[in-house]
Amino acid sequence: SQTIHQWPATLVQPVGSPLSLECTVEGTSNPNLYWYRQAAGRGLQLLFYSIGIDQISSEVPQNLSASRPQDRQFILSSKKLLLSDSGFYLCAWSVPGTSSNEQFFGPGTRLTVL
Amino acid sequence: AQSVSQHNHHVILSEAASLELGCNYSYGGTVNLFWYVQYPGQHLQLLLKYFSGDPLVKGIKGFEAEFIKSKFSFNLRKPSVQWSDTAEYFCAVNGASGGSYIPTFGRGTSLIVHP
Repeated sequence: SQTIHQWPATLVQPVGSPLSLECTVEGTSNPNLYWYRQAAGRGLQLLFYSIGIDQISSEVPQNLSASRPQDRQFILSSKKLLLSDSGFYLCAWSVPGTSSNEQFFGPGTRLTVL
Repeated sequence: AQSVSQHNHHVILSEAASLELGCNYSYGGTVNLFWYVQYPGQHLQLLLKYFSGDPLVKGIKGFEAEFIKSKFSFNLRKPSVQWSDTAEYFCAVNGASGGSYIPTFGRGTSLIVHP
């Protein structure tokens, strides 16, 4: 069966420090991968999605970047964190090839920037 | 561009009450529609989805949703809620044409069920 992992679960970082959040998927090949930020009362904001290795699309201009160095690994990064980067970050995957497939979400990372 | 509107941001019910959460979408073509649920401390997970066929779809835990194309709606219903239904509910839409695999999510509805 497929599983999705995210780490760390929680993170407290000072303003101006770098960020690296990792997401890995097991049990499937060539998944579509997504990074979301979830804010209370604001739903899920799509940040990045990827349909293959080194194929990253950015949905919203951010202080963040994403990379997909391996088929089932998706990394969210920042060179210098801002206070506004605080939030709950979710990674998700879906089976490629059709838009009727649902997304499977990871447990999320709670990021607090101080 | 596609968009989703969830009208109820906070809903408080007593056990055994009936539930209906509204979801309206905006998209010019064929759509795939989803309801996701996030129970406290758990992953966001699929509750049910519509992509073709019978517009009344049934999901887990007694939930159902009806796709009404003329109203651009996909409301979620449950005849009798339980305390364990306390969660956040998200409606999502994905255009079914043009190879888009990117769903758009609504802002979510927080449901609290009192025992």
